[in-house]
Parts: sequence; C-alpha cells; structure tokens
Amino acid sequence: SQTIHQWPATLVQPVGSPLSLECTVEGTSNPNLYWYRQAAGRGLQLLFYSVGIGQISSEVPQNLSASRPQDRQFILSSKKLLLSDSGFYLCAWSGGQGYNSPLHFGNGTRLTVT
Amino acid sequence: AQSVTQLGSHVSVSEGALVLLRCNYSSSVPPYLFWYVQYPNQGLQLLLKYTTGATLVKGINGFEAEFKKSETSFHLTKPSAHMSDAAEYFCAVSPPSGNTGKLIFGQGTTLQVKP
Repeated sequence: SQTIHQWPATLVQPVGSPLSLECTVEGTSNPNLYWYRQAAGRGLQLLFYSVGIGQISSEVPQNLSASRPQDRQFILSSKKLLLSDSGFYLCAWSGGQGYNSPLHFGNGTRLTVT
Repeated sequence: AQSVTQLGSHVSVSEGALVLLRCNYSSSVPPYLFWYVQYPNQGLQLLLKYTTGATLVKGINGFEAEFKKSETSFHLTKPSAHMSDAAEYFCAVSPPSGNTGKLIFGQGTTLQVKP
C-alpha cells in the first residue's frame, strides 16, 4: 500500500533562518506531489505542485521554493523565513490520473517562526 | 474560475443528532467533488468523492453526500453524530479535465459534538 511520510512534525525557527521540509511517498510511482499551507483558522492554500522530477509549478508568489530531486521526494525550502511563513504545512500525493484522483495527505509539519 | 463555499465555519450538534455540513461550488462545468476530514494536528483524510454516476455518494464513518447540479451543492450528512466525529471538514472541487489533480478547498467547517 501507499504511504506518505512528512517530517519534522513540529519546527520552531527564528526569523531569517533557512527551512527545509521533506516529504516522501512509498508504494507508488510517478505521483503528482503537492505542498499546501494551512494558516490558523483558514483553509488550505496550494503552494506548489509537481507532475514529475524537476517539474515544479508555483501557485502563489512567496518566500518559499520547492524541489523534486527524485520521483517520490518533494522538498519545501526557504532561504530566510518570515513571521508570515508560520503555519501548518501539508504534503500530498495523487495518482497519475490527476483530476479524479483524490489527494492523500501526510500528517503535516507545524512551523512556528519566532 | 472555480470556487468552493462552505456555509458556517462552526457547526454544533448533540450526540445522536443529524449532521449537515453545507458546501456550494462555482464552476462552469460540473466538477469532481470531495469531502475531507481533519483531526487536530493531522493531515486530511478522504471521506468521500463524487466523479460521475450516482449522485448520492456514501463514504467512510457513516457519512454521505449528494451532488445536486441544479443547486450547485454537495452537502455532507450523517444521520446520527458521534463524539468521534468532532473534527474539521473540508469540501473540495477539481476540474473534470487536465492531469494535475489540483483541488480547490473551502475554508472548512469545524464540527462540535456535544454529549
């Protein structure tokens, strides 16, 4: 069966420090991969998605970047964190059929920027 | 552009009472529709989805939803609430084409179940 791993579960970082969140998927090949952010009391905002290695689409301009160095690995990064980057970050994958395949989410990373 | 509106950011019901969480969508063509549940500090879990076929969709944990094209709605219901149903619920839509699988989520509805 397919599983998705996301780490760390929680992270407290000072303003201006770098960030690296990692997500890996097992049990499937060539998944579509996604990074979502959930701010306190708000819905989910799609940050990045990827349909293949090295293919990254950004949904909103921001202080973050994403990379997909391997088929089942998706990394969210920042060179210098802002206070506004605090939130709950969720990685997700879907099957290659895309539009009617549901998203499968990791357990999330709660990031607090101080 | 597609959008999703969940009416009511907080819904409170008594244990054993009917649960009704409302979702309306805006789309030029009938989309694919999903309901997800999120427990505290966890990711989202798929409850059910509508793609094509029968408009009444049954999901996990006794939940079901009905796609009503004329009302552009996809409301989530459960006949009898259980304490374990307390969570946040998200409605989402996906365009019926393309291969990116991007979902557009509503703002979420927090369900409180009172004993």
